[in-house]
Amino acid sequence: SQTIHQWPATLVQPVGSPLSLECTVEGTSNPNLYWYRQAAGRGLQLLFYSVGIGQISSEVPQNLSASRPQDRQFILSSKKLLLSDSGFYLCAWSRRDRARYGYTFGSGTRLTVV
Amino acid sequence: GENVEQHPSTLSVQEGDSAVIKCTYSDSASNYFPWYKQELGKGPQLIIDIRSNVGEKKDQRIAVTLNKTAKHFSLHITETQPEDSAVYFCAATLNTGFQKLVFGTGTRLLVSP
Repeated sequence: SQTIHQWPATLVQPVGSPLSLECTVEGTSNPNLYWYRQAAGRGLQLLFYSVGIGQISSEVPQNLSASRPQDRQFILSSKKLLLSDSGFYLCAWSRRDRARYGYTFGSGTRLTVV
Repeated sequence: GENVEQHPSTLSVQEGDSAVIKCTYSDSASNYFPWYKQELGKGPQLIIDIRSNVGEKKDQRIAVTLNKTAKHFSLHITETQPEDSAVYFCAATLNTGFQKLVFGTGTRLLVSP
C-alpha cells in the first residue's frame, strides 16, 4: 500500500534562518506531488506542485521554493524565513493517471517562525 | 479556472442530529468531487467522493449528493457523534489530464454531547 511520510512534525525557527521540509512517498511510482500551507483556522493554500523529477510549478509568489530531486521525494525550502511563513505545511500525492483516487495527505509540519 | 465555495464556515449540532455542508463549483466540466475530514493537528483524510455520473453515494452515516445542473454538491452526516467534530473540506476537479484539486474554504463542525 501507498504511504506518505512528512517530517519534522513540528519546527520552531528564528526569523532569517533557512528551512527544509521533506516529504517522501512509498508504494507508488510517478506520483504527482503537492505542497500546501494552512494558516491557523484557514483553508488549504496550494504552494507548489510537481508532475515529475525536476518539474516544479509555483502557485503563489513567496519566500519559499520547492524541489523534486527524486521521483518520490519532494522538498520545501527557504533561504530566509519570515514571520509570515508560520503555518501548517502539508505534503500530498496523487496518482499520475487519474483523479478518481483523490489526494493523500501527509501528517503535516507545524512551523512556527519566531 | 475552477472555483469552489463552501458553506457554512462553522456548524454546531447536538449529538444525534444531522449535519449538512454545501459546496458550489463554477466549472461545469468538473467531474470528480471528494470530501476530506481534517482532525486537529493532522492532515486531511478522504472520507467520501462522487463522480459526475452518480447523483448520490452513501457510506454508513455519511452521504454525498451531486446536482450537476445547479453545480452544487453536499455532504450529509446523520446521527452525528462527538468524534465527527473536525474541519471538512470539499473539492472539485476534472478527471482528465493533470488533476489539480480545488478546495473549498472548509467547515468546522462541532458536535456537542
